[in-house]
Amino acid sequence: AQSVTQLGSHVSVSEGALVLLRCNYSSSVPPYLFWYVQYPNQGLQLLLKYTSAATLVKGINGFEAEFKKSETSFHLTKPSAHMSDAAEYFCAVSSITGGGNKLTFGTGTQLKVEL
Amino acid sequence: EPEVTQTPSHQVTQMGQEVILRCVPISNHLYFYWYRQILGQKVEFLVSFYNNEISEKSEIFDDQFSVERPDGSNFTLKIRSTKLEDSAMYFCASSEVYQPAQHFGDGTRLSIL
Repeated sequence: AQSVTQLGSHVSVSEGALVLLRCNYSSSVPPYLFWYVQYPNQGLQLLLKYTSAATLVKGINGFEAEFKKSETSFHLTKPSAHMSDAAEYFCAVSSITGGGNKLTFGTGTQLKVEL
Repeated sequence: EPEVTQTPSHQVTQMGQEVILRCVPISNHLYFYWYRQILGQKVEFLVSFYNNEISEKSEIFDDQFSVERPDGSNFTLKIRSTKLEDSAMYFCASSEVYQPAQHFGDGTRLSIL
């Protein structure tokens, strides 16, 4: 069984400040991990993915995440927030079984960026 | 960049009626998925589909639901005898074989009255 916990349903940062969105996972097998972003009235856009290669993963829009097996974490960061980063962010896990894999999502974190 | 497209964007249906939600996955993808997101809740897996058959389904995906690939491009989710609690955003996704990343459409907002 797999699960994802996202700490903080709402995070507020100032423009230019560091963004840190937390994700912890549980998986009985080596996981794939993902961050998706959802802008209002839009679908889920893949930000970045961890697929057992480099533990520090870079994604789109300046975001990156680090896979830490010892902490079962996959936190999302961005050095400097922009107003356009305001959206809901979802962490997700799937297992390495080949072929299609169902994604198990966290409850999401709403990011607010203030001037 | 290729996209997953879903139609309609919003569907309003009377309780008890049947609805069909449509999806066109990315053309070279062979795995297809449906997820739903009830307002204020997390995105939940419904079903995955490969080689013209269901490869995995959740406990949510009961006899009320069915999926079909009626032709070479469309992938549909049928919900029979809709209930108020079926109101949700339904997302279609697709992925390449042996590639874990799934690409999502913009969703269909289903409202049951």
